[in-house]
Amino acid sequence: EVQLVESGGGLVKPGGSLRLSCAASGFTFSSYSMNWVRQAPGKGLEWVSSISSSGSYIYYADSLKGRFTISRDNAKNSLYLQMNSLRAEDTAVYYCARVDDSSANPDYWGQGTLVTVSS
Amino acid sequence: EIVMTQSPATLSVSPGERATLSCRASQSVSSNLAWYQQKPGQAPRLLIYGASTRATGIPARFSGSGSGTEFTLTISSLQSEDFAVYYCQQYNNWLLYTFGQGTKLEIK
Repeated sequence: EVQLVESGGGLVKPGGSLRLSCAASGFTFSSYSMNWVRQAPGKGLEWVSSISSSGSYIYYADSLKGRFTISRDNAKNSLYLQMNSLRAEDTAVYYCARVDDSSANPDYWGQGTLVTVSS
Repeated sequence: EIVMTQSPATLSVSPGERATLSCRASQSVSSNLAWYQQKPGQAPRLLIYGASTRATGIPARFSGSGSGTEFTLTISSLQSEDFAVYYCQQYNNWLLYTFGQGTKLEIK
């Protein structure tokens, strides 16, 4: 069974940093591209970042302006999101998702981890 | 940046009736369009990709159509479990995605 479990969320002050993790199991992690998608409270979905299976290709939403860094460790079956210079508008549930090769879309999602940026 | 616009924001439909949701792209995305369903407190669920291909396990009452800039998700006979928020999403460039703002499908 495919499982994606996010962790690392919590309360952080504006300007602070946080590192999210996503532990993957039930599939060959190193064969799949992965995404981070976020959802602010009561709002819609916003794509954050993608990373190819090998980590060679990385993409970010323009709105992040270089504050976030996606990475992965295929030996540990883990995906990461380093978030720096956090702002109140970064408050959201952050989901990791696996990209299915045949559909080119996220097919399995974790349950999300809540990041709250507040003083 | 490709902007996705969904309409209406909220759609009220009775169980058993048909629901039609629309999505427009600011520029052509060919058939690189997906639809997701999200229920409160849950992660999104992939329904449709390639504008019209149902994802694994998705019932036949869900269908997608369109290409270029205009897309439609149709739910032929609404079941109680179909009332949720629906998002369209373009993926015209590999690993680059944009979501629409969502359509809330509510019980009339």
